[in-house]
Order: sequence, then C-alpha cells, then structure tokens
Amino acid sequence: EIVLTQSPGTLSLSPGERATLSCRASQTVSSSYVAWYQQKTGQAPRLLIYGMFHRATGIPDRFSGSASGTDFTLTISRLEPEDFAVYYCQQYDRSPWTFGQGTKVEIK
Amino acid sequence: EVQLVESGGDLVQPGRSLRLSCAASGFTFDDYALHWVRQSPGKGLEWVAGINWNSGNTDYEDSVKGRFTISRDNAKNSLYLEMSSLRLDDSALYYCVKDRGAVASNSAGFDFWGQGTRVSVSS
Repeated sequence: EIVLTQSPGTLSLSPGERATLSCRASQTVSSSYVAWYQQKTGQAPRLLIYGMFHRATGIPDRFSGSASGTDFTLTISRLEPEDFAVYYCQQYDRSPWTFGQGTKVEIK
Repeated sequence: EVQLVESGGDLVQPGRSLRLSCAASGFTFDDYALHWVRQSPGKGLEWVAGINWNSGNTDYEDSVKGRFTISRDNAKNSLYLEMSSLRLDDSALYYCVKDRGAVASNSAGFDFWGQGTRVSVSS
C-alpha cells in the first residue's frame, strides 16, 4: 500500500498569503494519478486538482499542483477567506487508493 | 447538478450487518465507476470499495474483503454496500463517491462526493 505523508500538519497564514502544501509518497507514484481535495468542516471533500495539475470544474486558478519525484505540492497563490480548510492528497495510481492524513490551513 | 445521497447508516453491535444505499442523479449513472470511502477521526479518509460501470469488476480494501460487498443497480441509479461481521473499527462516516472514469480498478480520480451516512459499531 502506498502511504502518503502530508506536511505540515497545520499551516497558519493570513488572507492574501501564499500556501504551499506538501505530500510525499512512500513509493513511486505517477504524477498523472495524484489528486488534491479540500474539505471544510461538516462538508464532504471537494475535488480541486486531478492528474497532478488539472483543475476540477469551477476551481479558481489560484490553486495549482506540481510534482518532483515522489513529492507533490499544492500551491494556493493568494489565500481567500473561503480557502481556510483541510486539504488532502490522494494517489490513484495503484490500488488501494490512498489519502494523506491532511493539512489544515488556518487563519493566523 | 450531480447529487449523491447516502442512507442506511445506523448504530449497530459488533458482528451485525448493515446495508448502505446511495441514490445518484445529475449524470449518466452507468457511464461511471463508483466507490465507497469512509472517514473516521482515527484513520482519516480511507477508500473501502469500488465497482465498475457495469458491475463487471469490484475492488476492496484488504480489511473489508470477505465482509463487505459493493453492488449497483443501473436501472435504479443506485449504489449499495452490504456490510457484515461489523467491527468497532468500521465506525465511520461513509461517503458514496463518483469516479471520473468507468473502471474502478483503473480509477481516474474521485470528482463528486455525497454528504455521507454514519455507521457506529458499539456494544
């Protein structure tokens, strides 16, 4: 099973700042099969990015994905108030499909 | 608008069975694979099971193999999860999730999630 480790656990930032979230895989994962999700309190996860850098429908372009080896990054270029939430990475390269433990982006 | 509405969650004793359902609308149901994903405070998000567009193939996470069965009825736009021999660590919020593709074992990512139905296993 591929284990995804996200860092940091919590990111404290102010609106307008840049957020950089990391996700490291325990084995080689094709970057084409990495997704990022946003989850707000009391809501279901929402797909942000799939195929490493493709934004899902309706997702603003301040969200972007990138990869380097087994390290994957979600960048939010300028945080809006609605962006404060928990973010999860996921690999769907090899079953079982697995998720990271999440990074909480909170208001500083 | 894609909608996935789960039902069937309950408080049950260890060893008992439960059937979850998911009613789907807003997309061509039999074009896509579907999954169940659960979330608990202790384990985070955990994929449980997936099924192809035509029920031709199913896939399970190891801890539920032999205990859970995923199925679908394309005529009713519905997804199901039969859970038996429930254990304490099966307690979670269970989400019905739509795949972007048609083949569960070759997932294209999860693009829509329901709001979940809660399963609590306790004596």
